[in-house]
Formats: sequence, C-alpha cells, structure tokens
Amino acid sequence: GAVVSQHPSWVICKSGTSVKIECRSLDFQATTMFWYRQFPKQSLMLMATSNEGSKATYEQGVEKDKFLINHASLTLSTLTVTSAHPEDSSFYICSARVGISGNTIYFGEGSWLTVV
Amino acid sequence: AQSVAQPEDQVNVAEGNPLTVKCTYSVSGNPYLFWYVQYPNRGLQFLLKYITGDNLVKGSYGFEAEFNKSQTSFHLKKPSALVSDSALYFCAVRDRGDSGGYQKVTFGIGTKLQVIP
Repeated sequence: GAVVSQHPSWVICKSGTSVKIECRSLDFQATTMFWYRQFPKQSLMLMATSNEGSKATYEQGVEKDKFLINHASLTLSTLTVTSAHPEDSSFYICSARVGISGNTIYFGEGSWLTVV
Repeated sequence: AQSVAQPEDQVNVAEGNPLTVKCTYSVSGNPYLFWYVQYPNRGLQFLLKYITGDNLVKGSYGFEAEFNKSQTSFHLKKPSALVSDSALYFCAVRDRGDSGGYQKVTFGIGTKLQVIP
C-alpha cells in the first residue's frame, strides 16, 4: 500500500534553533498534505493544510511565521519549527491525501520533537 | 513493523441501525489502540482509546470499541447510527513500548461511514 515517510522520527534540538521535519509520499502524488500536532494525553490537532504550489492554510491559533510549511512538490511537504522553544516539544504527524479529492489519506509515523 | 488494516473503504448504514467499522492491527508488543473521526474540513478528533483494563471501551458520541487480543481487532461500534455520524474514521495503533524508546503511531487508511436517512 501507499506509504508516507516522515523524517526524522525523533529529534532533539536546542532552544532558539530551527528544525525541519519532512513528509514524503513515496508511491503516490499528494496535492494536499496535513500537519498535526499532539500534546500529551490529547488528540491530534490540525495545524495546517498544505497544498502543492501554494501557501499553506493555517488553523486558528497556529503561528504561520513559527511553523513554516513548504509543499514544493507533489511528494514532499516540510514543516520547519523556527526559533524552537521547549513548549514546542511535541509529537508532529503528517498525512497525505491521495489524488485531488480522494477519501483515502495516509499518515506518516510521526516525529517526536524535544527542545532543550 | 506494526500495521493497521481497515478493510472497508466505505460503510453504508441506515439511520437507526447499528454500525460497525472494522480494524485489525499488528504490533510486536502490547498495543495502545485509538479511534479518530474526521468530519469534512476538520482535523482529526479523538473518539476513544484502549490502554488496558476492560476490553470494551466507551468513547465520545455514543461510540464504543472492543479490544480482541486473539483476533487482533479493535472494531468501532455504535448501537444506533445518526446521519451526523457520517464522516471518515481512522484506527491507529502504537506499541506500548514496554522496552522503552520512542514509539511510532501507525494509522489505518480510513473508512468512510455514510449513514443514510
């Protein structure tokens, strides 16, 4: 089946630095990818919807200058956490929609970010 | 490697009838199991989870799921479907990680539930 690869699986970075997380659809084209964040003991929270070739649509309350999303190709979207703070430590997960308007969505396996 | 299977792309059920959305999983250790729902143009919402204890787990909006270890299944159920239950449902598994380290979450591909008035 289709695979969404997310990299890195876990990362530790220092406060003030930036870290990039990649989300790749390995065997299908994804015009739309989604980025989620999960706080401990809470459900996934949609951060933004990433559309290939256009600006991402951010959910209310998500700082677009802090969480930079780039969907440069049909198989790659990146999330960059800029000037990371310890409160940005979380589990980040991406998903990719098959085709333009399909119902099938594949998830990456998530990335654990720890900011120290 | 862990995996989740949702064998049905779509489930159709008449309003008022019971519904079941199937999920089977594979994990090397003991699992944490989750169900999420996604309504159109919304992010995933948590429905319920199995961590330990009773195999029958009750969650939001009248949904429940039964953990069956021998069949490695975690089917989502509701006694009486509502039209408003129509949405995309995702099953997910995470290794409990008793041996330590970071545990990845694996999602199924989703099942579209259509409740017919």
